Amino acid sequence: DQQVKQNSPSLSVQEGRISILNCDYTNSMFDYFLWYKKYPAEGPTFLISISSIKDKNEDGRFTVFLNKSAKHLSLHIVPSQPGDSAVYFCAASAGYGQNFVFGPGTRLSVLP
Amino acid sequence: DSGVTQTPKHLITATGQRVTLRCSPRSGDLSVYWYQQSLDQGLQFLIQYYNGEERAKGNILERFSAQQFPDLHSELNLSSLELGDSALYFCASSPDVETQYFGPGTRLLVL
Repeated sequence: DQQVKQNSPSLSVQEGRISILNCDYTNSMFDYFLWYKKYPAEGPTFLISISSIKDKNEDGRFTVFLNKSAKHLSLHIVPSQPGDSAVYFCAASAGYGQNFVFGPGTRLSVLP
Repeated sequence: DSGVTQTPKHLITATGQRVTLRCSPRSGDLSVYWYQQSLDQGLQFLIQYYNGEERAKGNILERFSAQQFPDLHSELNLSSLELGDSALYFCASSPDVETQYFGPGTRLLVL
């Protein structure tokens, strides 16, 4: 049973446009969420996080939105750049000391 | 550079063998996590250690075991290897619950 889902395996976006990556979760105990970016042959890199007491968190070009009632979060990248091309993982945790559950990832391709 | 180191970078071995993967966390991080990423799959959480003690267990096979030593480095032992164990194995360390810093991974190929 996949507790964290990223239903789009891939996404292509034109440079300069907005990229929207989606993530759905089933466990209502999850209260902390993260997005990671992964380039080939490298470990995942932390991008941005959000806790369940917020519905939005912004860091530069990256914004994460959380809709608790829908158990849905999304990562917006504006404007998208070719260097953003990578696999993006959504991860969720049920609290302090609990392990993170990762989604399967979405491969983003930003076309010049 | 995340500050987390993993050795070896690549490992090629045969079925039935046993290997040990090593992880050194960032200085000061007490938590170490192990993940497996198989082809076309997302990251699968295997196990977490906190200051030498097992804290959480995920989808870790009985053939796999791990430990965290007093100096906080961790080892993941994989035994009776099967072809399906071929994957990228990542270690991550964490100073708190908020984020994790990943190492570059060990690519294991079982032939």
